Amino acid sequence: GQNIDQPTEMTATEGAIVQINCTYQTSGFNGLFWYQQHAGEAPTFLSYNVLDGLEEKGRFSSFLSRSKGYSYLLLKELQMKDSASYLCAVMDSNYQLIWGAGTKLIIKP
Amino acid sequence: ETGVTQTPRHLVMGMTNKKSLKCEQHLGHNAMYWYKQSAKKPLELMFVYNFKEQTENNSVPSRFSPECPNSSHLFLHLHTLQPEDSALYLCASSQEQGISMGEAFFGQGTRLTVV
Repeated sequence: GQNIDQPTEMTATEGAIVQINCTYQTSGFNGLFWYQQHAGEAPTFLSYNVLDGLEEKGRFSSFLSRSKGYSYLLLKELQMKDSASYLCAVMDSNYQLIWGAGTKLIIKP
Repeated sequence: ETGVTQTPRHLVMGMTNKKSLKCEQHLGHNAMYWYKQSAKKPLELMFVYNFKEQTENNSVPSRFSPECPNSSHLFLHLHTLQPEDSALYLCASSQEQGISMGEAFFGQGTRLTVV
């Protein structure tokens, strides 16, 4: 079956760096997506990786290794507003999106 | 403001009630989606409309009935729901189905409680 794994919850300190991992097993691959969802809010698109390597976008970066079925989202200079859930999703060969259950990130002062 | 608006934000309904959820987007997108989000579970895709035509129904019980009158509006009609249907129902849109489905714009959702 198809599967996305990511940690349920992580805690980090304001100003620090945190890495949220996502591993996947899917039937084919057409890209990996990261979303941010604040409590009670809409998920918002953060990043898209289809080739191996690191994509940087301000304080957020996303990495992909297709051979390892692995991605991570790196958040630098953490701010309190980064407290949210981070959702990983993979698009398979049939253009179906397979979602992870999300990682709740708690930022402490 | 994400460009996708859902109403109502909260809904409590009895198991014998009939209600409808509404979604509206003015982003010029051609694909619209209904998702179910339950606590600590992955998003579950329920229905997909592409250019107003339903293209996917992921084995959703018939007590959920979607309607897409035009490319800007999407409804989810609810009747005789069960308590386990309590969840956050999210509407989303994207330019069209396919790869752009991954870069979707979501509404804030309707928090549904079935009593």
